[in-house]
Amino acid sequence: AQSVAQPEDQVNVAEGNPLTVKCTYSVSGNPYLFWYVQYPNRGLQFLLKYITGDNLVKGSYGFEAEFNKSQTSFHLKKPSALVSDSALYFCAVRDLTSGAGSYQLTFGKGTKLSVIP
Amino acid sequence: EPEVTQTPSHQVTQMGQEVILRCVPISNHLYFYWYRQILGQKVEFLVSFYNNEISEKSEIFDDQFSVERPDGSNFTLKIRSTKLEDSAMYFCASRMSSGRGGQFFGPGTRLTVL
Repeated sequence: AQSVAQPEDQVNVAEGNPLTVKCTYSVSGNPYLFWYVQYPNRGLQFLLKYITGDNLVKGSYGFEAEFNKSQTSFHLKKPSALVSDSALYFCAVRDLTSGAGSYQLTFGKGTKLSVIP
Repeated sequence: EPEVTQTPSHQVTQMGQEVILRCVPISNHLYFYWYRQILGQKVEFLVSFYNNEISEKSEIFDDQFSVERPDGSNFTLKIRSTKLEDSAMYFCASRMSSGRGGQFFGPGTRLTVL
């Protein structure tokens, strides 16, 4: 079975400072990994994904994530945080045991990011 | 930018009543999903739908649940007889045919069962 862990319920960071939101995963084979962001009263917005290739993935709004196979991690990062980045962030992994065409995602519990002015 | 939309944003119902949650996926997407998030818990997969049939469902998706794509634009989730524990945020998502694409999620419907 696959799983995703986001060890921090909340991350606080000062505006302008770098931010990291942690994610570790467990899958049977090669993972497809995703980050989504949820703003208040909005749906989950796709930020970035890792499939294969370069371990450093760049996504929307200046975010990036680093895939580390040995540590089974996919931490989300941004060099300089903005107050508008404050939101709920979800890491997800694609279930590789699903049949073709399904691609259900398994989500972490989410991490609330607060960027302090 | 195209978006997945969901209606209503909030639904309050009495236990035992039927509810239908509605979603309009992005128009050129072919794969459709429902997820739910009980307050304070993880987002959980319910069901995926492709080519007018369910392609996969979780253990949560029991006989009380059903999905339908009644026309070319809507994708619905029906709960026949709601229980208190069905109270959650329900998210619809859609995806293009490409296997490597991400799923696009709607804003969710908050279902409250009293």
